[in-house]
Amino acid sequence: AQKVTQAQTEISVVEKEDVTLDCVYETRDTTYYLFWYKQPPSGELVFLIRRNSFDEQNEISGRYSWNFQKSTSSFNFTITASQVVDSAVYFCALSEGVERLTFGTGTRLTIIP
Amino acid sequence: KAGVTQTPRYLIKTRGQQVTLSCSPISGHRSVSWYQQTPGQGLQFLFEYFSETQRNKGNFPGRFSGRQFSNSRSEMNVSTLELGDSALYLCASSLTLAGVWTGELFFGEGSRLTVL
Repeated sequence: AQKVTQAQTEISVVEKEDVTLDCVYETRDTTYYLFWYKQPPSGELVFLIRRNSFDEQNEISGRYSWNFQKSTSSFNFTITASQVVDSAVYFCALSEGVERLTFGTGTRLTIIP
Repeated sequence: KAGVTQTPRYLIKTRGQQVTLSCSPISGHRSVSWYQQTPGQGLQFLFEYFSETQRNKGNFPGRFSGRQFSNSRSEMNVSTLELGDSALYLCASSLTLAGVWTGELFFGEGSRLTVL
């Protein structure tokens, strides 16, 4: 069975600090997708990134970067020079190739001005 | 292009009533899936529809049902509401090409249901 673990329930950092959100996944499939979503107070899940299991290249998008390591079954998310607007709940999710996501429990990130 | 649209955004019902939620996917997306989000259980998959057929189903009782129309719009229904059904219900649409999921999956803003 597939499983996603986000061990960090809540994180608080001072603005401009870097912060890394951890995600560890379990799956028996060799083909799968990993996702990160941001959920602001409004409730919508905002898509941040999708990575398939065959692409282990790390990705950087502005202040955001993702580190995918199949050897440790991890897909960690780093925000560089954090801003108050980054405050939200962040979810990591896994799909075994079909439109059915298994989510982690989320990490609530608070950026202190 | 327009995103995933869910209506209503907020609603209040009482125990025993039923509720219908609506979701209009992104234009061109033929797959629609539904999730329930509660503080206790987190985000859980309800079901997924493609071309008016339910393809995947989560572990929810039969009181939770859904359907999809020929224009890809989807509705979900919850009958005989219980207090525990209070939740944010999120709809997602995804792009499929030649029957294969592209991996794209985008969510709407959700319908927040309160059961009193």
